[in-house]
Amino acid sequence: GNSVTQMEGPVTLSEEAFLTINCTYTATGYPSLFWYVQYPGEGLQLLLKATKADDKGSNKGFEATYRKETTSFHLEKGSVQVSDSAVYFCALSIQGGSEKLVFGKGTKLTVNP
Amino acid sequence: DGGITQSPKYLFRKEGQNVTLSCEQNLNHDAMYWYRQDPGQGLRLIYYSQIVNDFQKGDIAEGYSVSREKKESFPLTVTSAQKNPTAFYLCASRVEGRGRPEAFFGQGTRLTVV
Repeated sequence: GNSVTQMEGPVTLSEEAFLTINCTYTATGYPSLFWYVQYPGEGLQLLLKATKADDKGSNKGFEATYRKETTSFHLEKGSVQVSDSAVYFCALSIQGGSEKLVFGKGTKLTVNP
Repeated sequence: DGGITQSPKYLFRKEGQNVTLSCEQNLNHDAMYWYRQDPGQGLRLIYYSQIVNDFQKGDIAEGYSVSREKKESFPLTVTSAQKNPTAFYLCASRVEGRGRPEAFFGQGTRLTVV
């Protein structure tokens, strides 16, 4: 079946530190990959996406590259801010499949000033 | 502005009662989804619908029911058969097919059993 595995949290960083949150996936077919962000008490917001191998998604200083050979989609940011504190979810969907989205368990990030 | 709206934001239910959570979207999306979120467990799919008058069970459908009478609306009923309904519920929608595979989420409803 399709699944997403992301690194366990919580992750605590100081402001301006480098961030990596690992995400790997298992999928039948050709998935699209996503990173969503959730702030406390809110719904999920799409952070970035990639729909085919070697695509790089980017937004607000965050980046992730779709690596088919390693089945990975790691999230990175060069310099985090306090406002980046949130829970981050990696997800996939299979185009032409059942249209279900499959999520990782989420990684809580706390950035201290 | 187009978007997806969930209501209410907070909901309290007595044990043994059914409650219905509302989800409305004006994005003209075909597919709609309900997820349950518990602390440390990520999102689990309850039900989804790809077209009006049709829906499928997700991974944790027991104790829940849905309807899809209109494209814009996908209400979720939490029945008294759901043993542990206290959770954060998220509704999502997206366009069917290729091109825009990402889902858009509502702000969520926090349900508490009292």
